[in-house]
Amino acid sequence: AQSVSQHNHHVILSEAASLELGCNYSYGGTVNLFWYVQYPGQHLQLLLKYFSGDPLVKGIKGFEAEFIKSKFSFNLRKPSVQWSDTAEYFCAVIPGGGYNKLIFGAGTRLAVHP
Amino acid sequence: GAVVSQHPSWVICKSGTSVKIECRSLDFQATTMFWYRQFPKQSLMLMATSNEGSKATYEQGVEKDKFLINHASLTLSTLTVTSAHPEDSSFYICSARGSGLPASGANVLTFGAGSRLTVL
Repeated sequence: AQSVSQHNHHVILSEAASLELGCNYSYGGTVNLFWYVQYPGQHLQLLLKYFSGDPLVKGIKGFEAEFIKSKFSFNLRKPSVQWSDTAEYFCAVIPGGGYNKLIFGAGTRLAVHP
Repeated sequence: GAVVSQHPSWVICKSGTSVKIECRSLDFQATTMFWYRQFPKQSLMLMATSNEGSKATYEQGVEKDKFLINHASLTLSTLTVTSAHPEDSSFYICSARGSGLPASGANVLTFGAGSRLTVL
């Protein structure tokens, strides 16, 4: 079945460590790609998105993601995490782009220790 | 920026009763609203898509008679869980998409804070 896969369900890091969260999707053709973050007790917020153009996308709060078409991947990175980055991170895809449905990955729960 | 408000944020009800959850776009007109359900430690599962003034489109496996969706205006969509049972207990999240072309970012969804339903 076509899907969005996030490989790490739980990640625990110390402050200042580097972060990379994996996201792979199985849809061919055009895709719009997103990373959303959900801080404890808060609603989903958009971190960054990719529609077209430069495959390296920079988002808010120092996050970036790289779209690698050949690998069907859109991994999220941050060079140095902070305690305030503790949250759940969701990769999401619109297969076919446009106004098609947004499909979420299972999420990765990140805990950053001071 | 775009804001989506959900109400109530938490509701507890008895089995067999119906519960209505509201989703409002506060500073933009939402031509389409989406209702998601999130089980503990799981991802968001799309339940249905509602377009203003027309019937909602439900995902496979979602009972349309149990989860009634109304999108009567460009700023309000409601989800009514009818004859709720304990297995309907979940976190329900709405999201809204504004008008405009996808390339402008109009297909970027704004999410509400969610409504936690507990059915006793």
